[in-house]
Amino acid sequence: EAQVTQNPRYLITVTGKKLTVTCSQNMNHEYMSWYRQDPGLGLRQIYYSMNVEVTDKGDVPEGYKVSRKEKRNFPLILESPSPNQTSLYFCASRSGDSVYGYTFGSGTRLTVV
Amino acid sequence: AQRVTQPEKLLSVFKGAPVELKCNYSYSGSPELFWYVQYSRQRLQLLLRHISRESIKGFTADLNKGETSFHLKKPFAQEEDSAMYYCAFASGSARQLTFGSGTQLTVLP
Repeated sequence: EAQVTQNPRYLITVTGKKLTVTCSQNMNHEYMSWYRQDPGLGLRQIYYSMNVEVTDKGDVPEGYKVSRKEKRNFPLILESPSPNQTSLYFCASRSGDSVYGYTFGSGTRLTVV
Repeated sequence: AQRVTQPEKLLSVFKGAPVELKCNYSYSGSPELFWYVQYSRQRLQLLLRHISRESIKGFTADLNKGETSFHLKKPFAQEEDSAMYYCAFASGSARQLTFGSGTQLTVLP
């Protein structure tokens, strides 16, 4: 089944403890993105990637890092999480020549205490 | 600045009534517009694309370039339509999505 898989689905952590949220897609998509969803703000883009080793900042990149060493994987790294990064995170992918837009993962609910 | 505006955060209608979710965009180029739906904080699912002019689950949306709008409409709302709806456009080198803030639709019995 074609899908975007995120892990973990739920995560509670403490301030300052480094964490990684994984994202993997099995559709050979070139484009991948990370979004955070907050009440009243909708979805805001954190980082995106056009292909392997090509990444760029979105609208709210502060406090986050990403890497794209393989086409299928696009992990989101929080080096020193803070409570204001408590949010629902979505990974998404898209083929470069697709007209169907992005396919989204199931989301990761992160709580930083 | 490029943005998507969904003026209604909450919208309630009765079952069987028509529903219209408003979306206006501000974009200098030719937009690639979408509607996504999210049920109970689950993953976002693509509902409609403006280029296909299709009807999904009874919903339609027409791009009006003069009014820079892409309103979502359904003639007879159903209870299972209750969800969060996001309007978005794609732009940039990776066709990144810019989302509106969303409209929570509740269809009352």
